Amino acid sequence: DQQVKQNSPSLSVQEGRISILNCDYTNSMFDYFLWYKKYPAEGPTFLISISSIKDKNEDGRFTVFLNKSAKHLSLHIVPSQPGDSAVYFCAASVPGTALIFGKGTTLSVSS
Amino acid sequence: DAGVIQSPRHEVTEMGQEVTLRCKPISGHDYLFWYRQTMMRGLELLIYFNNNVPIDDSGMPEDRFSAKMPNASFSTLKIQPSEPRDSAVYFCASSPTGSNIQYFGAGTRLSVL
Repeated sequence: DQQVKQNSPSLSVQEGRISILNCDYTNSMFDYFLWYKKYPAEGPTFLISISSIKDKNEDGRFTVFLNKSAKHLSLHIVPSQPGDSAVYFCAASVPGTALIFGKGTTLSVSS
Repeated sequence: DAGVIQSPRHEVTEMGQEVTLRCKPISGHDYLFWYRQTMMRGLELLIYFNNNVPIDDSGMPEDRFSAKMPNASFSTLKIQPSEPRDSAVYFCASSPTGSNIQYFGAGTRLSVL
């Protein structure tokens, strides 16, 4: 039973365009959500996060949106760059417990 | 800071052999996590420690897996005996108290033949 779902295994975008990665969750107790980026042969690295009391958080080219009523969050990358090509993991946490990760979405940005 | 350090980076072993994976967390981090990544199951939590004490080991697949944290700067994940289905990338991560952000090592790619 997956509590965090990333339904799109892959996404292809042209350089300069917007990339939108989606994530759905089932547990209404989640209070914090994170996005991680992973390059081949490396560990996941933290990208951006959002608390459940907010609906948007922005950091440079990266923005995360949270829709609690729909139990949905998304990561927007604008503009997309070839260096953004990686696997993106969505993760969520309940206070006092470990993160639960989605299976990831592979983003390919072509120049 | 050097970040989370895992060793070895790659491990190839034969079925039935004992395998030990090692992790050095970031200094000052009170939480340490072991994850396994496979194509089928993605990133799944195996066990995590707080102040060297195991808090949740419900993700450990079976008794062949064991993890220890003898001190704040070292943890091991042991598989004995290993089986081909244990082949995966194993990640260690650490985080400080009060933070939801976990910092990952580069992982150990395990192949059991």
